[in-house]
Amino acid sequence: GNSVTQMEGPVTLSEEAFLTINCTYTATGYPSLFWYVQYPGEGLQLLLKATKADDKGSNKGFEATYRKETTSFHLEKGSVQVSDSAVYFCALPSTLTGNQFYFGTGTSLTVIP
Amino acid sequence: ETGVTQTPRHLVMGMTNKKSLKCEQHLGHNAMYWYKQSAKKPLELMFVYNFKEQTENNSVPSRFSPECPNSSHLFLHLHTLQPEDSALYLCASSQSGHYNEQFFGPGTRLTVL
Repeated sequence: GNSVTQMEGPVTLSEEAFLTINCTYTATGYPSLFWYVQYPGEGLQLLLKATKADDKGSNKGFEATYRKETTSFHLEKGSVQVSDSAVYFCALPSTLTGNQFYFGTGTSLTVIP
Repeated sequence: ETGVTQTPRHLVMGMTNKKSLKCEQHLGHNAMYWYKQSAKKPLELMFVYNFKEQTENNSVPSRFSPECPNSSHLFLHLHTLQPEDSALYLCASSQSGHYNEQFFGPGTRLTVL
C-alpha cells in the first residue's frame, strides 16, 4: 500500500537558514503529494501540493518537487523565519480510496532569532 | 480559520464517563474524517464518512462511536475510555473523490484519567 517516510526531527535552525525536510514515498500509481503544516495549538493546514511527476508546489516561500525517479517530495525553504516554527507533515492519498490520506510522523521545526 | 470547527477544545474525563466530541464544517464538503494524533506517532485515520455513510473504520475500538447526522456535522461519542486514548482528536473535511485536499479543525485535546 501507499506510505510516506519522513525525516525525523526535531530540527532547530537560526533565522534565515536554509531548510530541507526529506520525504520519500511508496505508491501504486501516481497520486498527488502534499505537505501540511501544524502551528502550535492548531490543526493541520495545507502548505503545498503537486499533482504529477516533475510538478513543483510552492507557497509562502516553501517549495517541493514531485520526483518520480527518486520517489521523493522534499520540502525546502531558502530563508526560514521564526514564524515558520511548526510541525510539517508529508502526505499522500490512497490510490485505491482516494480520500484516505497517509501522513508522515511529522517533523518539528524551531527557528531561533 | 479553516472552516472546520471543533468543540470542546479541551476535555478531561474519567474512564467511566461518557462524552461526545463535535465537529462542524462550513465548506459544503461531503466527506468528513476523524483522526487521532498522539505524540511520536503518525496521524491515525479512525473513521471516514462520505455523503453521511461510513466508508472506513480502521479497526477502531468500539468505545469510540462516530455519528454523522448530516454532511456538515460529525460526532465522536466516547465511553469507558482508557488512559492510552489520551490524544489530540482532529476532524477534517473534503470534497469526496480522489486526492482532494482535507481541511482540518483545531482539534480536541482529550485527557483520560
